[in-house]
Amino acid sequence: DAGVIQSPRHEVTEMGQEVTLRCKPISGHNSLFWYRQTMMRGLELLIYFNNNVPIDDSGMPEDRFSAKMPNASFSTLKIQPSEPRDSAVYFCASSFEGGRASGGYTFGSGTRLTVV
Amino acid sequence: GESVGLHLPTLSVQEGDNSIINCAYSNSASDYFIWYKQESGKGPQFIIDIRSNMDKRQGQRVTVLLNKTVKHLSLQIAATQPGDSAVYFCAETPGGTDKLIFGTGTRLQVFP
Repeated sequence: DAGVIQSPRHEVTEMGQEVTLRCKPISGHNSLFWYRQTMMRGLELLIYFNNNVPIDDSGMPEDRFSAKMPNASFSTLKIQPSEPRDSAVYFCASSFEGGRASGGYTFGSGTRLTVV
Repeated sequence: GESVGLHLPTLSVQEGDNSIINCAYSNSASDYFIWYKQESGKGPQFIIDIRSNMDKRQGQRVTVLLNKTVKHLSLQIAATQPGDSAVYFCAETPGGTDKLIFGTGTRLQVFP
């Protein structure tokens, strides 16, 4: 199993540009989570999906952020337009049945986003 | 005022000693808890989990203790090794949801 795969690993973009982060969850997992990690705020849950349906997006900071899960094997997190304060490491995680059955949530290696 | 980053508490232990990392969780309705280890430049890595109907669970060199009365979770690492150096996070899942909410973390430093 390749684990949760995120791309790109690093992204540097100019303020105002659109940024798209990608995630491929573990095959068979039906829950997918997007987190943001910063020194200021730690690990924050942005949004999560169950069976491709967004369940809770209360952590999405602004309308500039959007996430989609068109199928069970792919999700995107988009920031448009990006701002310097969006600079962070963005993690995707997946689980089966909320993690209780699969022994937790498996995280990807993250995308380090820098907005200049 | 000036903004500052999160101040991570740090636990320094000597190689071979046992480590205890503590965590206070926030939601009395949480029914599932996980400890994660995060090394520099990597994503959080699952260590051990526990459900609220248990108060202790053991893994390989690790033990998690849960005290629901005071909403406290601890992670014990036996015979701590240099490879255990990392930031450790506790995380909770409120009952009825799949939201995994992380604490602020504790940095574990192991010195020879």
